[in-house]
Amino acid sequence: DVKVTQSSRYLVKRTGEKVFLECVQDMDHENMFWYRQDPGLGLRLIYFSYDVKMKEKGDIPEGYSVSREKKERFSLILESASTNQTSMYLCASSLVPVNTEAFFGQGTRLTVV
Amino acid sequence: TQLLEQSPQFLSIQEGENLTVYCNSSSVFSSLQWYRQEPGEGPVLLVTVVTGGEVKKLKRLTFQFGDARKDSSLHITAAQTGDTGLYLCAGAPANQAGTALIFGKGTTLSVSS
Repeated sequence: DVKVTQSSRYLVKRTGEKVFLECVQDMDHENMFWYRQDPGLGLRLIYFSYDVKMKEKGDIPEGYSVSREKKERFSLILESASTNQTSMYLCASSLVPVNTEAFFGQGTRLTVV
Repeated sequence: TQLLEQSPQFLSIQEGENLTVYCNSSSVFSSLQWYRQEPGEGPVLLVTVVTGGEVKKLKRLTFQFGDARKDSSLHITAAQTGDTGLYLCAGAPANQAGTALIFGKGTTLSVSS
């Protein structure tokens, strides 16, 4: 059974903290993605990666960075968490090309206080 | 910026009714996907349509891809309470290798008994 696993379902962090969200996939997929999902705004792409050590900015990369040291792991880093980064974060992976199915993790609900 | 406009944003119906959700764009897509997301979970793929004019059926769900590959629809016949959820369309931009899926903002469907 294919699986994308995010390290936490719920996370509460303080303003200014450095936050790491981890995502692991066991499908040997080349592509990995980080989205955030907010009511009324849908899924917005933060960063994606199509290979180890490769990364591309999505639509809203400001305040975030990513790391992909191994094919199966894609980390999202909030350099200095702010309250406007409170959101649901979704990790996904897919094979190339981009029109193949994206498999999503269960999401991390992050609250920044 | 390519956009996928979904309508309606919210839909509240009684069990047994039919409904249609629309996904429109001014851009051409090489494929369109439909996902369903339940609260607290990540989206799960329902179907991918690739060919202009294509119609796919999944039990009571019928998916159509527009002839010009700019729009798609999801029709549910005789809705059931188990159909409740967030429905998302996602498109793979045509002639743009190396880009990520573009998601619509979603349609929240509530089916009551």
